[in-house]
Amino acid sequence: DAGVIQSPRHEVTEMGQEVTLRCKPISGHNSLFWYRQTMMRGLELLIYFNNNVPIDDSGMPEDRFSAKMPNASFSTLKIQPSEPRDSAVYFCASSWDTEAFFGQGTRLTVV
Amino acid sequence: AQSVTQLDSHVSVSEGTPVLLRCNYSSSYSPSLFWYVQHPNKGLQLLLKYTSAATLVKGINGFEAEFKKSETSFHLTKPSAHMSDAAEYFCVVSRVTGGGNKLTFGTGTQLKVEL
Repeated sequence: DAGVIQSPRHEVTEMGQEVTLRCKPISGHNSLFWYRQTMMRGLELLIYFNNNVPIDDSGMPEDRFSAKMPNASFSTLKIQPSEPRDSAVYFCASSWDTEAFFGQGTRLTVV
Repeated sequence: AQSVTQLDSHVSVSEGTPVLLRCNYSSSYSPSLFWYVQHPNKGLQLLLKYTSAATLVKGINGFEAEFKKSETSFHLTKPSAHMSDAAEYFCVVSRVTGGGNKLTFGTGTQLKVEL
């Protein structure tokens, strides 16, 4: 398996624009996580899904953030409208049992 | 509820000397515990995991961790540090429930290795 695949790897966008981050989990995994990492706040869990259903979205910072998992092989994290303070590295991870496998991350810069 | 405390935000060692990164956990259930490493501008890579088998767990790159239930600790060690070990290390506690896999990350320890 190719592992967890995230796209794009880098995204630069202007404030106010919509941004969509994509994640393909490892086939057969039933849990999917979105994390955000910044220097100030470290690694934060935004939302996680189990069997495509959102279980805990308490980490989603504002209504500008939304996440979907329409099927077991794809998830998106959308920010609309984006703001400079959303600049961070966003990681997607998936798991079957207890161990989580991480993607390489998407580095988002909002200018 | 579960939580993880990494006791040191920064650790600095000389190359060739031992490494000790400390982690304490809290969990109402028998936890699974992990150490992940993140090199600069990279994703997180699993170093090792404890899932209720042997209490001394060996991982990649010569790292080990010992699960001590009485001390609620899962410290990461390596006998001899290498320059390539410089990275950030995260201790993680995990519990699988009907709602999926609940992961809780520590705040990370930045390891610096000096010549």
